[in-house]
Amino acid sequence: AQSVTQLGSHVSVSEGALVLLRCNYSSSVPPYLFWYVQYPNQGLQLLLKYTSAATLVKGINGFEAEFKKSETSFHLTKPSAHMSDAAEYFCAALRYNNDMRFGAGTRLTVKP
Amino acid sequence: DTGVSQDPRHKITKRGQNVTFRCDPISEHNRLYWYRQTLGQGPEFLTYFQNEAQLEKSRLLSDRFSAERPKGSFSTLEIQRTEQGDSAMYLCASSFPVTGISNTGELFFGEGSRLTVL
Repeated sequence: AQSVTQLGSHVSVSEGALVLLRCNYSSSVPPYLFWYVQYPNQGLQLLLKYTSAATLVKGINGFEAEFKKSETSFHLTKPSAHMSDAAEYFCAALRYNNDMRFGAGTRLTVKP
Repeated sequence: DTGVSQDPRHKITKRGQNVTFRCDPISEHNRLYWYRQTLGQGPEFLTYFQNEAQLEKSRLLSDRFSAERPKGSFSTLEIQRTEQGDSAMYLCASSFPVTGISNTGELFFGEGSRLTVL
């Protein structure tokens, strides 16, 4: 089964600073990859997805992620953090017609 | 609102009782998934349906857990003889199957049903 590893369970940045959340997947065949965001006591909301159409993917709220096959990575970035970005972020991978597997999550804290 | 809805949002029960959660997916979606999420963890896959057929079940789904989707629309997840370790958020999601660029399998989640077993 596809596995996803998120490096760093907690990331803290200052407002206006760069956000970098790391995700690596393990597979010989690049899956479809996703980033979801979860606010407290809510379900998960899709931020962006990689489907092999383009390696740099832009999502909502100013986030983007770059697929790097050589590094089996799909890191999430945002140039300037806002207080409203504080949430839990999950990387996920989907193999064709299989279930979606999630990483353990990274909690993003934004300091004023 | 035409998103995924789950009921109840919160359930507190005593150990040994049975509980049932309901999920109403987005009506056009033929795939429906159940996940379990504990504090500080990512969602863990439990099971999924394509229409009314249950296609895969996780090892996490012990014989106390049963899920149904009788008419290929809403689904129920029942936990019998609940244990304190069952306390978690139970998430439902729906999607189209992966067919290519137009349908890439992304899941649309409900708000979740939080279970507390005392």
